[in-house]
Amino acid sequence: EAEVAQSPRYKITEKSQAVAFWCDPISGHATLYWYRQILGQGPELLVQFQDESVVDDSQLPKDRFSAERLKGVDSTLKIQPAELGDSAMYLCASSLMGLRIAFFGQGTRLTVV
Amino acid sequence: GENVEQHPSTLSVQEGDSAVIKCTYSDSASNYFPWYKQELGKGPQLIIDIRSNVGEKKDQRIAVTLNKTAKHFSLHITETQPEDSAVYFCAAKAGAGSYQLTFGKGTKLSVIP
Repeated sequence: EAEVAQSPRYKITEKSQAVAFWCDPISGHATLYWYRQILGQGPELLVQFQDESVVDDSQLPKDRFSAERLKGVDSTLKIQPAELGDSAMYLCASSLMGLRIAFFGQGTRLTVV
Repeated sequence: GENVEQHPSTLSVQEGDSAVIKCTYSDSASNYFPWYKQELGKGPQLIIDIRSNVGEKKDQRIAVTLNKTAKHFSLHITETQPEDSAVYFCAAKAGAGSYQLTFGKGTKLSVIP
């Protein structure tokens, strides 16, 4: 069964350090999303790509967060420097041309200490 | 922007009973309403969705109803089973030109055997 792959599953980092997450979407899905899910809340969109182009990054804290999808396939989300408030689950999802999101990846659980 | 309210935050039902989760949205331009199930340690998975031109949709034991006038939609699960225990999220997507899903805060459903 096709799935969205994410790594690492868990990451513990110290405040002010840099951290990066990786996502490999379902093959053929042109649209890729990064969501952040704080414990006890629903996911919030950080950034959306259509192929290699950013479609929406209005909720991305650009002073410390960056995202890229250089070849329009896999994607990396980076935080530098990490802050305590960044502790959350970071979810990746993909879809065909911005249509329904059927599956999210298992996510990366980030803990900043 | 869109605001989605979800109730209740927790719900316990006996196995075999029905469960109902309700959501309201604020943006009358929203036209797509998916529901996701999130099991422990996994990413959300789409279980059913409805578009604004339809009032009700059913898939086996799961149904969703939409009242556009009142701006609310509901998830109905009949004949609940222990494996239905999970956190359920509703979401709404605004109209043309927007790809962003706005999620509710989730409902933790516990089905008691």
